[in-house]
Amino acid sequence: ELKVEQNPLFLSMQEGKNYTIYCNYSTTSDRLYWYRQDPGKSLESLFVLLSNGAVKQEGRLMASLDTKARLSTLHITAAVHDLSATYFCVVGRRTSYGKLTFGQGTILTVHP
Amino acid sequence: EAGVTQFPSHSVIEKGQTVTLRCDPISGHDNLYWYRRVMGKEIKFLLHFVKESKQDESGMPNNRFLAERTGGTYSTLKVQPAELEDSGVYFCASTGTVNSPLHFGNGTRLTVT
Repeated sequence: ELKVEQNPLFLSMQEGKNYTIYCNYSTTSDRLYWYRQDPGKSLESLFVLLSNGAVKQEGRLMASLDTKARLSTLHITAAVHDLSATYFCVVGRRTSYGKLTFGQGTILTVHP
Repeated sequence: EAGVTQFPSHSVIEKGQTVTLRCDPISGHDNLYWYRRVMGKEIKFLLHFVKESKQDESGMPNNRFLAERTGGTYSTLKVQPAELEDSGVYFCASTGTVNSPLHFGNGTRLTVT
């Protein structure tokens, strides 16, 4: 059974600081997503990572994938308050046709 | 483009009652998924429709849950009779092609008392 573990689960940061959220998954997968959820809102896709060594960046967020270590990271650079949200690491397989396995989610709070 | 819409946003019912959740996917999306998050747990897959057919219902917890997608458009998820452990947030998602990122609705928060 595929399992996805995120850490930390709670992250309180000051504005301007850097931090990394880690995501480990238990078995081979061929796609990894990072989603963001604001309270009471839908989950928004941030990144799709499909191959070993993939790195994607959008604004202050950068995601990477190491399929050999079964590890993905979401790096936050110079955090701002608008980044406060819950971030989910989500893993899937091409053969699972959209059946995804979610991590527990990391609740990020950025303080002034 | 309108996103995935779910109705109601909140529902509070008593144990033993019936509740029906509705999901309208993005127009043209053949693939529709139901997921749920119960208190303190991860978001978990329930089932997947391709048009009106159930592609995968391996995540449905028991036979108190019935999902339908008549005509391949909107979908309903009925819980009958509801139990306390059914409380949680039920998400619907859709996509045009199965390996594209899913588009999620805002979810329905179900509370069974």
